[in-house]
Amino acid sequence: KNEVEQSPQNLTAQEGEFITINCSYSVGISALHWLQQHPGGGIVSLFMLSSGKKKHGRLIATINIQEKHSSLHITASHPRDSAVYICAVKQGAQKLVFGQGTRLTINP
Amino acid sequence: GAVVSQHPSWVICKSGTSVKIECRSLDFQATTMFWYRQFPKQSLMLMATSNEGSKATYEQGVEKDKFLINHASLTLSTLTVTSAHPEDSSFYICSAPWQNQPQHFGDGTRLSIL
Repeated sequence: KNEVEQSPQNLTAQEGEFITINCSYSVGISALHWLQQHPGGGIVSLFMLSSGKKKHGRLIATINIQEKHSSLHITASHPRDSAVYICAVKQGAQKLVFGQGTRLTINP
Repeated sequence: GAVVSQHPSWVICKSGTSVKIECRSLDFQATTMFWYRQFPKQSLMLMATSNEGSKATYEQGVEKDKFLINHASLTLSTLTVTSAHPEDSSFYICSAPWQNQPQHFGDGTRLSIL
């Protein structure tokens, strides 16, 4: 069993829909990252959080430390949101352990 | 904001050649950088941790003599794939942490060995 599990693995939705991607982990962490990887491969860090909730534009990330669970929400989804979203947990100083990613496709 | 530059973005070369990939922190000093490998439709796998001025720390199963890492300055780490073979074809990406900020990733290098 992977230390970081994401669901769903693939998600297709229509433009405007509310999107939720889930991440569960089984190890102790100092922080959790949500990353976005576009088709070209480049990776952008969306959020780093260790408790509670963070919001940036249409993106919201939450984490429940007790339940070892985090969610990434996208409101009013748009085709440009189509990408692979990766959950990664930070163990120790800086090392990251990655989930397998969620491939999101938003159709116009 | 902090930027990490990775070069080249893609490489195609013949089997048996060595390929060097550079990862630079452009506006901050990085005592530590990470090198990852990603196969198609799979997630990133940490290969090694590059430490400025000392030996890299390799993850289990990664051949040290195959993937040479040098971190000679606070802004540059290099990964050299020695005697590359088709099975080394993959997407390689580096990252660098900066203070308590999220990690900053390079744009990656797509390596194809013929």
